[in-house]
Amino acid sequence: AQSVTQPDIHITVSEGASLELRCNYSYGATPYLFWYVQSPGQGLQLLLKYFSGDTLVQGIKGFEAEFKRSQSSFNLRKPSVHWSDAAEYFCAVGSETSYDKVIFGPGTSLSVIP
Amino acid sequence: DGGITQSPKYLFRKEGQNVTLSCEQNLNHDAMYWYRQDPGQGLRLIYYSQIVNDFQKGDIAEGYSVSREKKESFPLTVTSAQKNPTAFYLCASSIAGGPRDTQYFGPGTRLTVL
Repeated sequence: AQSVTQPDIHITVSEGASLELRCNYSYGATPYLFWYVQSPGQGLQLLLKYFSGDTLVQGIKGFEAEFKRSQSSFNLRKPSVHWSDAAEYFCAVGSETSYDKVIFGPGTSLSVIP
Repeated sequence: DGGITQSPKYLFRKEGQNVTLSCEQNLNHDAMYWYRQDPGQGLRLIYYSQIVNDFQKGDIAEGYSVSREKKESFPLTVTSAQKNPTAFYLCASSIAGGPRDTQYFGPGTRLTVL
């Protein structure tokens, strides 16, 4: 069955520290990969996406993600976290074999210590 | 400004009552979605629609109903048959409903059953 996992339920980092949020997927076909961010009580906003080509993709707000096919992973990174990055982060995956649905992971909650 | 609006932001319902959540978009998108969000479970798809007057059940459609009479509108009714309706509900839209599409989210409606 197709699935998306985010192993870390909650992460706390200090402001200015680097960040890596993990995402693993299980899909039979080539996946289309997304990272979304959700501020408290709000909807989700796209940070970045990967379909093909260069496996390191840049997104908004200084985020980047790297696709590693051998590890079935699409981890999100940021070199220096700001207090405003505190939010919930969702990895999502779609594929041509699930044409009409994108599956979202359970999310990782990020807290930032000033 | 183009976007998705959801109303109301907070909704309280007595057990046994049906309630309708509003979702409107002015992005000229063909596809619209309803998700339910519970803590630690990510987003679960309730219903989606890729064209006016047509919609499909998602993973947790029982106890919910929708209509798509206009391209701009996709209201969700939470019926008394939904056993545990207290949750945060998110509406989204995308250009065509394909697996590569970015989904644009509304700010959400928090439903509480008293």
